[in-house]
Amino acid sequence: GAVVSQHPSRVICKSGTSVKIECRSLDFQATTMFWYRQFPKQSLMLMATSNEGSKATYEQGVEKDKFLINHASLTLSTLTVTSAHPEDSSFYICSADGTGGNGYTFGSGTRLTVV
Amino acid sequence: GENVEQHPSTLSVQEGDSAVIKCTYSDSASNYFPWYKQELGKRPQLIIDIRSNVGEKKDQRIAVTLNKTAKHFSLHITETQPEDSAVYFCAASRFGNQFYFGTGTSLTVIP
Repeated sequence: GAVVSQHPSRVICKSGTSVKIECRSLDFQATTMFWYRQFPKQSLMLMATSNEGSKATYEQGVEKDKFLINHASLTLSTLTVTSAHPEDSSFYICSADGTGGNGYTFGSGTRLTVV
Repeated sequence: GENVEQHPSTLSVQEGDSAVIKCTYSDSASNYFPWYKQELGKRPQLIIDIRSNVGEKKDQRIAVTLNKTAKHFSLHITETQPEDSAVYFCAASRFGNQFYFGTGTSLTVIP
């Protein structure tokens, strides 16, 4: 149980375009989801906390207009990187918590490369 | 917010020896401390965790200790094996699910 699916696993996009990453809780309802970013050989940095049906809470230094988070249902949260630039290239990973999960389940991650 | 520091950043041990990784945290309200193992390009995997009402927890070759007064906790791996080689992250959390991670320790177990 407590499976979190993240899609896509890898994406390459051109600079200036937008990319959407999906995070789904497959066997439980996720009232809260977290988005992290991990640069090569660095730690996971919390970007934002999203709650179903309400606006996401962003960590200091994370641009909410650039990283759009939508958590419209109890099983899906999306992160859209708008007007992507090469410096946005990173490993993005979500974590979901909910009534059925244990609060500590990570998605498989998305490797974003902006060229 | 919470600030988690982790040491060392790299650690090499001979197979069979023990490995110890240490973390400190700043928020005295943090009450949950998980440890994750991450292999290259993969998601972090929870290996052990401890809550603030416990001082020590052990699971086979892995143990974690917590000193709430000093605000530090440590991961201990005994009888290390080559498959233990990975990056290990500690984390601290106030509510049990919003994590602040340490900077990671790259562990290499030499056969």
